[in-house]
Amino acid sequence: EVQLVESGGGLVNPGGSLRVSCAASGFTFSHVWMTWVRQAPGKGLEWVGRIESKKDGGTTEYATPVKGRFTISGDESSNTLYLQMNSLKIEDTGVYYCATDVPNTYGALDSWGQGTLVTVSS
Amino acid sequence: EIVLTQSPGTLSLSPGERATLSCRASESVSSSYLGWYQQKPGQAPRLLIYGASSRATGIPDRFSGSGSGTDFTLTISRLEPEDFAVYYCQQYGRSTGTFGQGTKVEIK
Repeated sequence: EVQLVESGGGLVNPGGSLRVSCAASGFTFSHVWMTWVRQAPGKGLEWVGRIESKKDGGTTEYATPVKGRFTISGDESSNTLYLQMNSLKIEDTGVYYCATDVPNTYGALDSWGQGTLVTVSS
Repeated sequence: EIVLTQSPGTLSLSPGERATLSCRASESVSSSYLGWYQQKPGQAPRLLIYGASSRATGIPDRFSGSGSGTDFTLTISRLEPEDFAVYYCQQYGRSTGTFGQGTKVEIK
């Protein structure tokens, strides 16, 4: 059974940094594409970025609002996905979900974690 | 970046009725890379449809997807009480992904 558990959320000052994690189990980490999606309080879903499977090249892509500030990486040894967030802005506040895709669909997200809340505020 | 616009913003219907949700893209989207999700309060989203028309595992057949190019549709043939929720379309693939702003299906 696929399981994704996010952690590392919390309160951070504007301009600060935070790294959130996603512990994965139940599948071969290097074979799937993994995506971060966020949701501001009371708002809709926003695609943040994704990392391709290692077998597909491991390339990352980012949404325009976070490009240059956020970095996605993965650690195969611990089956953990990371989202490093720098130069945080108030508008980065929200629940951050990690998700994996249906195999070979390049991003149809069928398994999700429960999310971790990031609050950017002074 | 492809912008997805969903309509209507809110759909007020009764159980048993048919729901038709629209998703329009700012440029052509490959049908292989269009999905629909359902989200209920306090829960993570759930994948309903991928590849524009393929139902995800465990999704009942009252949910169906169609469309191509820039216009896509999610249809719920007969609304069940558990179907009242917010629905999002998403385009994905080898470039950046995006979600629509959502359609809320509420009980009339």
